[in-house]
Amino acid sequence: RKEVEQDPGPFNVPEGATVAFNCTYSNSASQSFFWYRQDCRKEPKLLMSVYSSGNEDGRFTAQLNRASQYISLLIRDSKLSDSATYLCVVRVGGYNKLIFGAGTRLAVHP
Amino acid sequence: EAQVTQNPRYLITVTGKKLTVTCSQNMNHEYMSWYRQDPGLGLRQIYYSMNVEVTDKGDVPEGYKVSRKEKRNFPLILESPSPNQTSLYFCASSPPGKRSDTQYFGPGTRLTVL
Repeated sequence: RKEVEQDPGPFNVPEGATVAFNCTYSNSASQSFFWYRQDCRKEPKLLMSVYSSGNEDGRFTAQLNRASQYISLLIRDSKLSDSATYLCVVRVGGYNKLIFGAGTRLAVHP
Repeated sequence: EAQVTQNPRYLITVTGKKLTVTCSQNMNHEYMSWYRQDPGLGLRQIYYSMNVEVTDKGDVPEGYKVSRKEKRNFPLILESPSPNQTSLYFCASSPPGKRSDTQYFGPGTRLTVL
């Protein structure tokens, strides 16, 4: 079983739609959680950290459920520019040890 | 401009021909790391370095070597490349302390081993 699992998609949605991605992690000792965004053939970039209380950044909302070992990302009012692959990332103990999910691809169409 | 640079960006080589992929960061970060990315597998850590002369294996170190003689540089060495090392490689760095969770990635090196 992969340590971080994501639905690979693709999620094809129209502009303006709300879309949600889910991610599960297997290591209960995981300490920090993130969503990274990766455009096609480009490097990953941090989108947002995920806190236990949930957090929001503009159209993006991240939630963490430690009991279920589950992380989510909600994107409201999707834009064409949101088309990318979204990587769920978990830090497990250790110094800077990050575990990446394989990513969920989002395609927003006009 | 704060950045992580990698060279070359694209490389096609043949089995057994030694190669080095360079990585350099100008942010004075202590921590640096190499990843490979393959379809359906996500990024997997190859090696990491917590500071100069301190390196350790990640999850998939076989067939790779690294060195950290200077803080800014962290080259990845393939002594005898094989076709299963065909992949997209990313170097990353991060600052110490609480901000260490954020990793800054280089633009990637696409390697093909024939």
